[in-house]
Amino acid sequence: QQQVKQSPQSLIVQKGGIPIINCAYENTAFDYFPWYQQFPGKGPALLIAIRPDVSEKKEGRFTISFNKSAKQFSLHIMDSQPGDSATYFCAASPQTGANNLFFGTGTRLTVIP
Amino acid sequence: DVKVTQSSRYLVKRTGEKVFLECVQDMDHENMFWYRQDPGLGLRLIYFSYDVKMKEKGDIPEGYSVSREKKERFSLILESASTNQTSMYLCASSLSLRGPQFFGPGTRLTVL
Repeated sequence: QQQVKQSPQSLIVQKGGIPIINCAYENTAFDYFPWYQQFPGKGPALLIAIRPDVSEKKEGRFTISFNKSAKQFSLHIMDSQPGDSATYFCAASPQTGANNLFFGTGTRLTVIP
Repeated sequence: DVKVTQSSRYLVKRTGEKVFLECVQDMDHENMFWYRQDPGLGLRLIYFSYDVKMKEKGDIPEGYSVSREKKERFSLILESASTNQTSMYLCASSLSLRGPQFFGPGTRLTVL
């Protein structure tokens, strides 16, 4: 059973567009929500992360929006560039117990010049 | 910069062979993880270790074992490789149990 549901599976946008990737979860014990970016041939790298005490976090062109009541969070990429073309994974982990990071299934983003 | 290295980028093995995947991190991290990555399934945790000689099962430990004899090294062992273990294997490490994880480049394993 997928603990974190991610959509869409793939996304194509024009340069300058704002791709949005959505994730949803059910486990209310989750309290750490990171996003990872993976380029072909590389391992995933932490991009940005949020905890549920805030509704939004920005780092450069990347923004996480978090809706605690709906148990949803999303990644927005402002002014997207061809260099942002990668696979993006959302993840979540619980506040207690082992550090199990539950990953979404990934979104392959292509930004067309 | 944290560096996580994996012993092989590509590996081809035959069904029934014993396979060792090695991972080394250079940042004195307490925690190390092994994931497998499959299209449409994301990353799934196989095993993790929070200290030398300590290990915990992840979501899909069946068919795998691990070894952590030194802090910087975490090995994944496939006792008898099967074709359904063909996958990308990713190693990661983290300083704290709930902190960011740093990934290696992955090993693409093909079992024939």
